Amino acid sequence: KQEVTQIPAALSVPEGENLVLNCSFTDSAIYNLQWFRQDPGKGLTSLLLIQSSQREQTSGRLNASLDKSSGRSTLYIAASQPGDSATYLCAPCNDYKLSFGAGTTVTVRA
Amino acid sequence: DGGITQSPKYLFRKEGQNVTLSCEQNLNHDAMYWYRQDPGQGLRLIYYSQIVNDFQKGDIAEGYSVSREKKESFPLTVTSAQKNPTAFYLCASSIEGATGELFFGEGSRLTVL
Repeated sequence: KQEVTQIPAALSVPEGENLVLNCSFTDSAIYNLQWFRQDPGKGLTSLLLIQSSQREQTSGRLNASLDKSSGRSTLYIAASQPGDSATYLCAPCNDYKLSFGAGTTVTVRA
Repeated sequence: DGGITQSPKYLFRKEGQNVTLSCEQNLNHDAMYWYRQDPGQGLRLIYYSQIVNDFQKGDIAEGYSVSREKKESFPLTVTSAQKNPTAFYLCASSIEGATGELFFGEGSRLTVL
């Protein structure tokens, strides 16, 4: 059974600082890994999908790296803004099912 | 606009009652999913459907039931057999099963009184 851990559980940074969010998973036989954003009381929004054959994926200020063999993915958010405040979840895909971590809750202070 | 619509947003239920949560999508996606989210925990898969008239149990299916009679609709019934139903329920869909990008609805919060 895939186990997903996200560290830290919470993070508070001043505006403009770069964010580094970590995700580790126990089963490296994944098809892909997705990063999601969740605002309080809302559904999830897909940020990036990185295929198992890729090392990284970029979208605007967001960059996700994947080291499948070591079971790790990292989401980098450059030049953080107060609007980036949310919970970020990673979800590796095995056997056509996604497993979710509990997320990292980010607060960006103006 | 294309998307996933969940209703109701908030629902209160007395113990012993069944309730049905609605999920409708107009994205023309084949695959649909129901997840449960509890505070401080990751999402857990309840049921999923890869195609009309077919669905499979996820990790926590006990006390829940689903149907998939139409491509656009995947309702979830929370039965009285579910021992701890108070949670946030999320519906999702994808065009390529779980290997494709997953899109989520806004969620339904169920509270058992």
